[in-house]
Amino acid sequence: GENVEQHPSTLSVQEGDSAVIKCTYSDSASNYFPWYKQELGKRPQLIIDIRSNVGEKKDQRIAVTLNKTAKHFSLHITETQPEDSAVYFCAARMDSSYKLIFGSGTRLLVRP
Amino acid sequence: GAGVSQSPSNKVTEKGKDVELRCDPISGHTALYWYRQSLGQGLEFLIYFQGNSAPDKSGLPSDRFSAERTGGSVSTLTIQRTQQEDSAVYLCASSTKLGWTEAFFGQGTRLTVV
Repeated sequence: GENVEQHPSTLSVQEGDSAVIKCTYSDSASNYFPWYKQELGKRPQLIIDIRSNVGEKKDQRIAVTLNKTAKHFSLHITETQPEDSAVYFCAARMDSSYKLIFGSGTRLLVRP
Repeated sequence: GAGVSQSPSNKVTEKGKDVELRCDPISGHTALYWYRQSLGQGLEFLIYFQGNSAPDKSGLPSDRFSAERTGGSVSTLTIQRTQQEDSAVYLCASSTKLGWTEAFFGQGTRLTVV
């Protein structure tokens, strides 16, 4: 079955620096890769997603890249701010089943 | 409603008792997911419903766990003979089937087994 690995599990950066979180997936049939942000005590919320027919997508300070050959995708946050501190989850979904499998999460701390 | 709604928000139950957790997805969403999140951990897939298709139960941890989705809308996750290791936040999410679309999460039910 589908498996998604995510690293690092924790990441601490200085405000203004960039943060990169990486995920790998096992099933080459996966074609949709969302990223969710979960603040303490709140529900996960989508911040950006990418489809398998696209290699990169940007939304202001956030970008996601996808390498289908290597089966990995990454989240890039530039000019980090303290409010970016949260747990970030990557996920992968196959078109055939719509089953959404999440990585184990990355706890990002942005130090002011 | 405007979003995914779960009830109750919190549930404390005694070990060995059965519990039912409810999820009201966004109207029109045909896909519904249940996940379990233990303290400080990731999102563990439990079960997935898609329209009238047979649910994908591959993530249910034991036969004490079951879920139903009536009329293609409301879903109930039932845990029988609860154990302390069942304590976690149970999250429900829904999405449309059409293409690559966002899964919207409910606020979760925090289950504590004492």
